[in-house]
Amino acid sequence: EPEVTQTPSHQVTQMGQEVILRCVPISNHLYFYWYRQILGQKVEFLVSFYNNEISEKSEIFDDQFSVERPDGSNFTLKIRSTKLEDSAMYFCASSPQRGSTDTQYFGPGTRLTVL
Amino acid sequence: AQSVTQLGSHVSVSEGALVLLRCNYSSSVPPYLFWYVQYPNQGLQLLLKYTTGATLVKGINGFEAEFKKSETSFHLTKPSAHMSDAAEYFCAVSDAGGTSYGKLTFGQGTILTVHP
Repeated sequence: EPEVTQTPSHQVTQMGQEVILRCVPISNHLYFYWYRQILGQKVEFLVSFYNNEISEKSEIFDDQFSVERPDGSNFTLKIRSTKLEDSAMYFCASSPQRGSTDTQYFGPGTRLTVL
Repeated sequence: AQSVTQLGSHVSVSEGALVLLRCNYSSSVPPYLFWYVQYPNQGLQLLLKYTTGATLVKGINGFEAEFKKSETSFHLTKPSAHMSDAAEYFCAVSDAGGTSYGKLTFGQGTILTVHP
């Protein structure tokens, strides 16, 4: 069964460093998402992406964040200058079509630790 | 704005007992409602969803949920718990309006423990 994959599973970085989190969505899916979960808190929406453009983003997704689909398979989240408060589990998700009814398929997550 | 509240961050049941995980939502537009499950070291997996139509929704692994608009609830149930049901469960809501691109708003999650 096709699944969303994410690498690395755990990333440790120093404050101020840039990190890139990678995701490979399911191959025929068109919509892509990033969510994050700070330890002990809710899963929060960051951004949705379609047709090489951001469709929607949350207040969390400020200028320090960017997303890219550099080729036909990868979907990346870049944090330019990490802060302590960026430490969280980051989930990638994809869905076949746009729409609130469509199921989003989630990857296993990348745990980011900022020291 | 939408929000989801899951009552009880931890629920413990005995094997064979009823599982009831509570979810209440707030939405200014008709909601679409989802339950996801997360097993250790895995991604969130869809258990079931309500969009329109029948308010009692059946999902995988014997789970079901009932949408009650008057109570703004979408509680998840399973008649008989199994050890393999131990996991974290997330309730989520999506905006049924045309401006949404599928953004999910999640509850804080409920960890289900099943005792032998």
